[in-house]
Order: sequence, then C-alpha cells, then structure tokens
Amino acid sequence: QKEVEQNSGPLSVPEGAIASLNCTYSDRGSQSFFWYRQYSGKSPELIMFIYSNGDKEDGRFTAQLNKASQYVSLLIRDSQPSDSATYLCAPAGGTSYGKLTFGQGTILTVHP
Amino acid sequence: NAGVTQTPKFQVLKTGQSMTLQCAQDMNHNSMYWYRQDPGMGLRLIYYSASEGTTDKGEVPNGYNVSRLNKREFSLRLESAAPSQTSVYFCASSEPGSLYGYTFGSGTRLTVV
Repeated sequence: QKEVEQNSGPLSVPEGAIASLNCTYSDRGSQSFFWYRQYSGKSPELIMFIYSNGDKEDGRFTAQLNKASQYVSLLIRDSQPSDSATYLCAPAGGTSYGKLTFGQGTILTVHP
Repeated sequence: NAGVTQTPKFQVLKTGQSMTLQCAQDMNHNSMYWYRQDPGMGLRLIYYSASEGTTDKGEVPNGYNVSRLNKREFSLRLESAAPSQTSVYFCASSEPGSLYGYTFGSGTRLTVV
C-alpha cells in the first residue's frame, strides 16, 4: 500500500460546481495534513492545513479529516476556471516528522 | 523577497555530464529538501537535510549527492547525468512541526539527452 493515495483524475467539473478531492494515507501516526495546489509549470503552493478531525473552512475551500478512516478530503465550492490545477495531499507528523510524502496529485479541470 | 531560490531554471545536459543545482533559502528554516517530479509520479524525495550538518537519503537517492553548505544553502549534484534523470527538480525548506509546511523554490527543468 502506498503511503499516500490520490485519484490522479483528471477530475472535470463545471464552473460553479463543488469539486471533491480525496486522499487516503497509511501512517496512523500522521497528525496533520497539507493540501497544496500546483498550477502547470509552477511550484506547489500551500492552500490548506488541517490537524484535527472534522472540517476546516477557508473561503471556498473546506478540508475534511477522518483519522479513524485515514482519509482526508478537499472540497472546493463554487469552482472557478482559475481553480484548474493539480492538488497534492501530504500527511505530516507520525513517523515522517518534518518530511512530507506527497500523493501523486489529482488534476482538476473546471470548465466554463 | 523572502523565499527559496533555485538556480538554474532550465538546463540541458548530455549523458555523462555533471552539474550542481543550487538552492538557497532566507527564511531561517532548519530543514531543506530536494524533490523530483515526473509525470504521473508526483513529488518524490531525493535527499533531505533535517538541520545544518546532516543529510539523509529519501525515496530516490541513486545518482545524486547533496551538500548542506550552511543553514541557507543545500545543493544537489548529478555526477554523471542519465536520461532517466530528466525531470523537474524542486528544492523546499521548512521548519518541522510548522503549520506552514514547505516553501518551494520555482523549480529546475532538467533535460538529459
């Protein structure tokens, strides 16, 4: 089992819809999670950090964490074409303290 | 501007040539990392330096060496480049346990022919 698994997509949603991106992880010791967004040809940029069970909201973005199921998701409400990018999940803490292992990323396309 | 600076941005090498990718951060972070990114493979860790004076192998270290020159600088060296090392290389820095994760450099696109 890979440490971090994401559906590589591509995930295509219409403008204004909710995009749902999912990530599962194997290290039960992981305490927190990062979501990064990477535009084509650019470096990843941090968009969300979550460290407790439940939801965390930041503008149109909501991260959901379920440690029992080892599952974290990112919801993007009112998706815009500018949200089209690759989204990378990375668990933190646990046995890899300070060192991030990234999923392969989910390619999201928001079409007008 | 504060951040992580990588040089060069683009490089073409012939098989067997050597080169060093440079990375410097001015965020006073203790940890620095080198990743490579290939299509469909995500970001894979090559080497990392948890603190000045230490370096450790990551997931894909073969064919690479690193030097943590000081707290600011972490270089990646390809001694004898191979076509399989054609990739985009990212340097990153962080403060372990930070809520802010990594700060990435802008990347180096390397082609080995």
